[in-house]
Amino acid sequence: DGGITQSPKYLFRKEGQNVTLSCEQNLNHDAMYWYRQDPGQGLRLIYYSQIVNDFQKGDIAEGYSVSREKKESFPLTVTSAQKNPTAFYLCASRSRADNEQFFGPGTRLTVL
Amino acid sequence: QQQVKQSPQSLIVQKGGISIINCAYENTAFDYFPWYQQFPGKGPALLIAIRPDVSEKKEGRFTISFNKSAKQFSLHIMDSQPGDSATYFCAAEGAGSYQLTFGKGTKLSVIP
Repeated sequence: DGGITQSPKYLFRKEGQNVTLSCEQNLNHDAMYWYRQDPGQGLRLIYYSQIVNDFQKGDIAEGYSVSREKKESFPLTVTSAQKNPTAFYLCASRSRADNEQFFGPGTRLTVL
Repeated sequence: QQQVKQSPQSLIVQKGGISIINCAYENTAFDYFPWYQQFPGKGPALLIAIRPDVSEKKEGRFTISFNKSAKQFSLHIMDSQPGDSATYFCAAEGAGSYQLTFGKGTKLSVIP
């Protein structure tokens, strides 16, 4: 099956800890994205990458970091510098030939 | 500055009725306007999309109406069903930007 996988589905973290969310796609898409979703706020872009070894900050990048070492993988690290990390995190990808962004099932992060 | 404004925030419609969600944008460089549907705990999925060279696009019970001069577009769901109960997001993308700007979402409830 082609698609986007995110793991874990639920993640709990203590304050002051860094945590890494996984995103993998087997769609052969060039571009990948990370969004944060909070109730009533829509989807806000954290980081995006259009090509391997390159990525750009989105609207709310502070307190987050990413890497793009492989075309199929785009992990997101939520650092201790992120003041309010509890949220639903969504990964997406798209090809250059089509505008449609495909979303993964999401990871719900809760800071205890 | 919110570039895509979506209304209403929530909508309750009776089964068989018409659901209408509206979006307005400011950036005239936008040239792709998708609507995404999201069920609780899941990632969004593309429902229907339009480009500004047409004023209307219909797919089954779902129709996008687009008014370029007013910089507005709307989603109409005909014969709404309880299974349509979800959150709907409008979005917009500028040519070559590879970035979607999302509205804040509309939670639709279709009651029997």
